[in-house]
Amino acid sequence: SYELTQPPAVSVSPGQTASITCSGDKLGQKYASWYQQKPGQSPVLVIYQDRKRPSGIPERFSGSNSGNTATLAISGTQAMDEADYYCQAWDTTTYVFGTGTKVTVL
Amino acid sequence: EVQLLESGGGLVQPGGSLRLSCAASGFSFNKYAMSWVRQAPGKGLEWVSAISGSDGLTYSTDSVKGRFTISRDNSKNTLYLQMNTLRAGDTAVYYCAREYDSSGYPYDAFDIWGQGTMVTVSS
Repeated sequence: SYELTQPPAVSVSPGQTASITCSGDKLGQKYASWYQQKPGQSPVLVIYQDRKRPSGIPERFSGSNSGNTATLAISGTQAMDEADYYCQAWDTTTYVFGTGTKVTVL
Repeated sequence: EVQLLESGGGLVQPGGSLRLSCAASGFSFNKYAMSWVRQAPGKGLEWVSAISGSDGLTYSTDSVKGRFTISRDNSKNTLYLQMNTLRAGDTAVYYCAREYDSSGYPYDAFDIWGQGTMVTVSS
């Protein structure tokens, strides 16, 4: 079965850029999406189709996808961005979520 | 306002059954594929099942095939998940989620999520 692997944790200082990777076989040939989930809340879509932002998502969230790796970047990270982040892709007949990354803003 | 509201969760014994519902509002329900996604306590997101918008095509992760059945009633704008032969490993918050694209088929991302309903399988 298809798997997506993320680093368990990423730390970032306020105002700096946080980068979260998502690795999967030939992931660049699929659409990658990213979700933000804060404690006790439902996930929120922040990036879809590799690099598109839904309405209401700040411009500091950006995405890319090439080869075997998709990347979510949060520029000018704010305290409110502290959350768990999950990548996701569609593989033939299944949705697959990444293992998740906890972003801590120090 | 576009909204999804799940219900039907609760405590059930191993081997038991439960049916979850997800009431949709604020959009043309029959135009969108819908899914159930679960999250075990302290764990990550796991996709469970999906159903196309109008022709009834269904998709499921291997661990629930033969036990869970996804369905929808477009006249009632409601998504369902019938869960049978429940196991302790099925304990999770279950979310319903809408496919982003209105093609009616699953292939992209989830743009709308419900608040979730908790299912606990324990004796």
